[in-house]
Amino acid sequence: DTGVSQNPRHKITKRGQNVTFRCDPISEHNRLYWYRQTLGQGPEFLTYFQNEAQLEKSRLLSDRFSAERPKGSFSTLEIQRTEQGDSAMYLCASSFSLRADPPLSNQPQHFGDGTRLSIL
Amino acid sequence: KNEVEQSPQNLTAQEGEFITINCSYSVGISALHWLQQHPGGGIVSLFMLSSGKKKHGRLIATINIQEKHSSLHITASHPRDSAVYICAVGEVVGAAGNKLTFGGGTRVLVKP
Repeated sequence: DTGVSQNPRHKITKRGQNVTFRCDPISEHNRLYWYRQTLGQGPEFLTYFQNEAQLEKSRLLSDRFSAERPKGSFSTLEIQRTEQGDSAMYLCASSFSLRADPPLSNQPQHFGDGTRLSIL
Repeated sequence: KNEVEQSPQNLTAQEGEFITINCSYSVGISALHWLQQHPGGGIVSLFMLSSGKKKHGRLIATINIQEKHSSLHITASHPRDSAVYICAVGEVVGAAGNKLTFGGGTRVLVKP
């Protein structure tokens, strides 16, 4: 049983560079979430996909951030012109929900091990 | 915006002791999650509950919807329980999606 896979595990880059992270969710999961976690804090919601559609974006997601899930399977998160404040752990999670599930239903989210970004 | 508060922030226990972590939230939720995060970042979902109580091994989670409060208990704690425990509440967003709002985490250290 393969879980949620994130690549790379670590990324070190200079300020101003662009970076891209990849998340491969559990194969049958139709929902995919991105979160960001800074040191000593709990994760914060960034954005979420239902299949290939990006349905919600946090105001934390500035214009420099873009996320895609082109075929409803893997997702990428790109950060352009990185800044020191972007240094964080970027977590991806996935879940499965039937179309017929009531709006308030919840399914457990399965998390990847995260990508730790360090901006020099 | 939901605010999620956890206490304590840090907890040190001797092996075998009973541990309680508390979580309070400010607005109505669809479900509450308890998560475990080990050094290195990986997060494991322990419980998802919307009422009452759930038990899994030495872990017990309870929730009081009226008081907007949940507790996570670890019985007979062991050094391998050392981790950060995070409370997260689920809220409906978008087209029936669910986003999680997280507490700041409780860092637990169990000494042998």
